[in-house]
Amino acid sequence: DVKVTQSSRYLVKRTGEKVFLECVQDMDHENMFWYRQDPGLGLRLIYFSYDVKMKEKGDIPEGYSVSREKKERFSLILESASTNQTSMYLCASSWVIHKSTGELFFGEGSRLTVL
Amino acid sequence: QKEVEQDPGPLSVPEGAIVSLNCTYSNSAFQYFMWYRQYSRKGPELLMYTYSSGNKEDGRFTAQVDKSSKYISLFIRDSQPSDSATYLCARGGGGSYIPTFGRGTSLIVHP
Repeated sequence: DVKVTQSSRYLVKRTGEKVFLECVQDMDHENMFWYRQDPGLGLRLIYFSYDVKMKEKGDIPEGYSVSREKKERFSLILESASTNQTSMYLCASSWVIHKSTGELFFGEGSRLTVL
Repeated sequence: QKEVEQDPGPLSVPEGAIVSLNCTYSNSAFQYFMWYRQYSRKGPELLMYTYSSGNKEDGRFTAQVDKSSKYISLFIRDSQPSDSATYLCARGGGGSYIPTFGRGTSLIVHP
């Protein structure tokens, strides 16, 4: 089975703290994604990566950065957390489009609360 | 206009009902259409996908694409309380490898 593992299910941080969200996939997928999910707004893409050390901005990259030093690991970084970053964060991975329909495999999510 | 539009609901139905979930999309170049199911406090997982247009059936679930009207539908027959979840439609293909999701529809099937 494909497994996408997000290291922290629940986090509580204070405004201004630096936050790291880690994601690891075990299927040798080229693509990895970070989304945030908020009630009424659905899934919004923050960043994605199609290869090691490669990254592309999604729809809402402001306030976030990412790191992909190894193929299986994709990290989301909040440099200075703010209360409006309180959300559910979902990591996903996929093969490149020519190998498949582009199905995404998601982790269980990391619920971040910023106080 | 969002690429994929979906009514967030909630949709509440009695057990055994036929459920119809719908989305519209804006770009006729889209080729793959997918339905993801997301249980509470879990990540989404792929339920079904269809290519181009037509129907695809899997047990109690039928996915349908009408390209002329740019409409995506998911039908659930004999709905069960275990079907209670959020259902997200998505499009893939069309030259982009980044799926675009609708906002998701919350479905509640009560016994």
